[in-house]
Amino acid sequence: GAGVSQTPSNKVTEKGKYVELRCDPISGHTALYWYRQSLGQGPEFLIYFQGTGAADDSGLPNDRFFAVRPEGSVSTLKIQRTERGDSAVYLCASSLLGGSDTQYFGPGTRLTVL
Amino acid sequence: AQSVTQLGSHVSVSEGALVLLRCNYSSSVPPYLFWYVQYPNQGLQLLLKYTSAATLVKGINGFEAEFKKSETSFHLTKPSAHMSDAAEYFCAVGDNDMRFGAGTRLTVKP
Repeated sequence: GAGVSQTPSNKVTEKGKYVELRCDPISGHTALYWYRQSLGQGPEFLIYFQGTGAADDSGLPNDRFFAVRPEGSVSTLKIQRTERGDSAVYLCASSLLGGSDTQYFGPGTRLTVL
Repeated sequence: AQSVTQLGSHVSVSEGALVLLRCNYSSSVPPYLFWYVQYPNQGLQLLLKYTSAATLVKGINGFEAEFKKSETSFHLTKPSAHMSDAAEYFCAVGDNDMRFGAGTRLTVKP
C-alpha cells in the first residue's frame, strides 16, 4: 500500500505569509505526528494526534503554529506570519496505534521563508 | 524528560570494517529506543527498535543494537560496512513524543 505522503514537496514563501502543509498518513493509522528538521539537526517533535484530537502539542514552538486532523486521517500544519527561522523540512509520520508502534515517515516538505 | 545524545557527528569507516555508532539516552522510565536511517533525499526509515524485550535487537540491513541499562547506551553496530550504508543515522527515545539525537553521518570509504 501507499506510504505517508506530504504536499507540497517544496514551498517557498515570503516572511509574514501564511502557509499550509498537508500530510496523508497510511490508511488505517490512528496516530499521526509532525516533526521539524532543521539543517544538520535531528527531527524535532511538534505535535501528536490520536484520531482527530491533538493528544500532545507540547512541541509547537509558539501560537503561530497550529495543526488539525478533522476526520482522523489527513492532517494540515498551519503556520501564520512566517518567519525566516521557520525554514526547515517539516516531516509527518503515522503509526497504527501510537505508543511504541513503528512510525512511518513521509518524505517531508521543505519550507523556505525568504 | 527523555533525551538521547549521539557521540560523533561524523564517522568514517572502510568498506568491510566494523560500524559503531554511539547513542546514550536519558530517561526516568524504561525507555523505548529507536535507530532510524536517512538516505540522501529520502525519508527516515526505521532500522530497529527496543521495547523492553530482548536487550540485543536485530534490525534490517545487518544492523543490530544492544540496550545496556548500566551504561544508558544503545549503540548501533554492523560487522562489515557496505558502500550502500553511507547515510545519516539517528537515535531516538520515547513513543508518542519521540526525541531524536542530532544524527551521525556515516561515510564508507572504498
